[in-house]
Amino acid sequence: QVQLQESGPGLVKPSQTLSLTCTVSGGSISSGYYYWSWIRQHPGKGLEWIGYISYSGSTYYNPSLKSRVTISVDNSKNQFSLKVNSVTAADTAVYYCAGEPATEVTETNWGQGTLVTVSS
Amino acid sequence: EIVLTQSPVTLSLSPGERATLSCRASQSVSSTYLVWYQQKPGQAPRLLIYGTSNRATGIPDRFSGSGSGTDFTLTISRLEPEDFAVYYCQQYGISPFTFGPGTKVDIK
Repeated sequence: QVQLQESGPGLVKPSQTLSLTCTVSGGSISSGYYYWSWIRQHPGKGLEWIGYISYSGSTYYNPSLKSRVTISVDNSKNQFSLKVNSVTAADTAVYYCAGEPATEVTETNWGQGTLVTVSS
Repeated sequence: EIVLTQSPVTLSLSPGERATLSCRASQSVSSTYLVWYQQKPGQAPRLLIYGTSNRATGIPDRFSGSGSGTDFTLTISRLEPEDFAVYYCQQYGISPFTFGPGTKVDIK
């Protein structure tokens, strides 16, 4: 079964760029038909979908974040990444990466999440 | 954007009782791409149901999912103490993918 693990700085200063990486193990990121997604959860709140990069390399972002978000993939490292520009305290959240199957009825897979705090 | 509405917001029940959680979509969702998650404080969401009605690995059979089109249901046949948590539905068939706001199942 595919496993995912987020990594990156836990503290980012306001106006800077938040950068996270998701490492996929147990399968090749480029061989299956998956949407590789990022999701976040503000403290005490619900789940917010940020965006994905698909098996074909196409991306789609939440319209509310589109102007500040970039998701990319590094097939050689079996990783995909998230960048959020110009962060504010409102970007403080637990960030999750996930793999969502695009063509089969099969299980989704999530990482354990990583807390990112935006503060000076 | 597909808006998912979950009801009730909070469900107060006793162990052993049956829980019925609703997820209603603003437009039709493919059953292939409707999932349910359970989340406990301080933990990542745990996949319970995928493809509307398929239990994920290791999920006990007291959890079941059903529905089609715009109306989906998660049923917990007999609540165990470890089932008191927040439950989210999600659709990932139409971009942008969306989550419902969650239903909290708490102890009466």
